[in-house]
Amino acid sequence: DAGVIQSPRHEVTEMGQEVTLRCKPISGHDYLFWYRQTMMRGLELLIYFNNNVPIDDSGMPEDRFSAKMPNASFSTLKIQPSEPRDSAVYFCASSLNGGSNQPQHFGDGTRLSIL
Amino acid sequence: AQSVTQLDSHVSVSEGTPVLLRCNYSSSYSPSLFWYVQHPNKGLQLLLKYTSAATLVKGINGFEAEFKKSETSFHLTKPSAHMSDAAEYFCVVIAAPGSARQLTFGSGTQLTVLP
Repeated sequence: DAGVIQSPRHEVTEMGQEVTLRCKPISGHDYLFWYRQTMMRGLELLIYFNNNVPIDDSGMPEDRFSAKMPNASFSTLKIQPSEPRDSAVYFCASSLNGGSNQPQHFGDGTRLSIL
Repeated sequence: AQSVTQLDSHVSVSEGTPVLLRCNYSSSYSPSLFWYVQHPNKGLQLLLKYTSAATLVKGINGFEAEFKKSETSFHLTKPSAHMSDAAEYFCVVIAAPGSARQLTFGSGTQLTVLP
């Protein structure tokens, strides 16, 4: 079975550039989550979607970050303009539904470096 | 409110000896609890989950965990460590029924396995 697929796996770009991270959730999963992982702050939930609709974006750090889910099989996380402090590993996860007994399944992440 | 505390940031064991990774939680509701493992440059992989059924939960790769309500603990164990078990382990709690948002990660335990 295909898991959550993220691309690119690594991204290195210069400060001020636009960055777009992509995610394909597991087919049939209703929920999609975007996380950021850093040494200092651990795993942080940025935003999550239910049936393609953003439900809670309170974790998005600032207006430079935006996320979309145009259909059930694709989501993007965009940073514009990017800054060095955005350097982190960004994970996408999906779950079958929002029930408390449903685990989230994670992609392998995108390692983002902003120079 | 909910929280999860992983009592050890680093654990080191010799290959073939038992593994114990400790996790304590607090929750206003009956929680669902998960253990995830993260190998270098990979996403989080679900090891096992507790969702109010049997208190002793068996997971993949020989790991198991016991839910102890009186001690508010969910420690992860394995009888015999293998070199491939070296990774970071996260204890996760979901406490609000039906709420995907209420997922809290522990700070992680780095497991080192010595030859």
